[in-house]
Amino acid sequence: KAGVTQTPRYLIKTRGQQVTLSCSPISGHRSVSWYQQTPGQGLQFLFEYFSETQRNKGNFPGRFSGRQFSNSRSEMNVSTLELGDSALYLCASSLDAQGRTGELFFGEGSRLTVL
Amino acid sequence: AQSVTQLDSHVSVSEGTPVLLRCNYSSSYSPSLFWYVQHPNKGLQLLLKYTSAATLVKGINGFEAEFKKSETSFHLTKPSAHMSDAAEYFCVVSDRVGYSSASKIIFGSGTRLSIRP
Repeated sequence: KAGVTQTPRYLIKTRGQQVTLSCSPISGHRSVSWYQQTPGQGLQFLFEYFSETQRNKGNFPGRFSGRQFSNSRSEMNVSTLELGDSALYLCASSLDAQGRTGELFFGEGSRLTVL
Repeated sequence: AQSVTQLDSHVSVSEGTPVLLRCNYSSSYSPSLFWYVQHPNKGLQLLLKYTSAATLVKGINGFEAEFKKSETSFHLTKPSAHMSDAAEYFCVVSDRVGYSSASKIIFGSGTRLSIRP
């Protein structure tokens, strides 16, 4: 069974640009969550999608957005990039809505560097 | 309100000695508790989970954790550290939100485990 796949693994952007990251969950999983991880702030929850609907949202500005498709694949988008957006972005999938079982399966992340 | 506190940001032990990573939680209901491990530049991997069955939970790679309700703790232990255990460890609580069936996952701030040769 394939794990959670995130693309791209590494990318470099400049300030003001926008970026789209993709996450393919484990087959059959309907929940996809996104996290931002930085050395200073640790692991911070961005949002969760379940059956194409945003179910939960963390405390991030509107520049951060996401969506989920009917096949459960998810994308997140960051517009007008800032230096502080440099981070490892992690995607996690779960069979049911996040928290119901608590068990999350993580991808290896997308490392974004903003110059 | 639910919360998770990992009491040590960094723990360093010698190879072959015991490991103890401490975690305390706050919960209004009966939580599910988890430990995840993250190796450098990798995603998080589930080590073990407690979901109201046996209070002593065994996980992968020789790790185990004991749920102590009276102390609201869920400390992670391993009898003998190996170099490959060097990683970041996260304690996680999954809890119901209010009286609804909705649940919420809360991550601790992480503990970096270093292993000395």
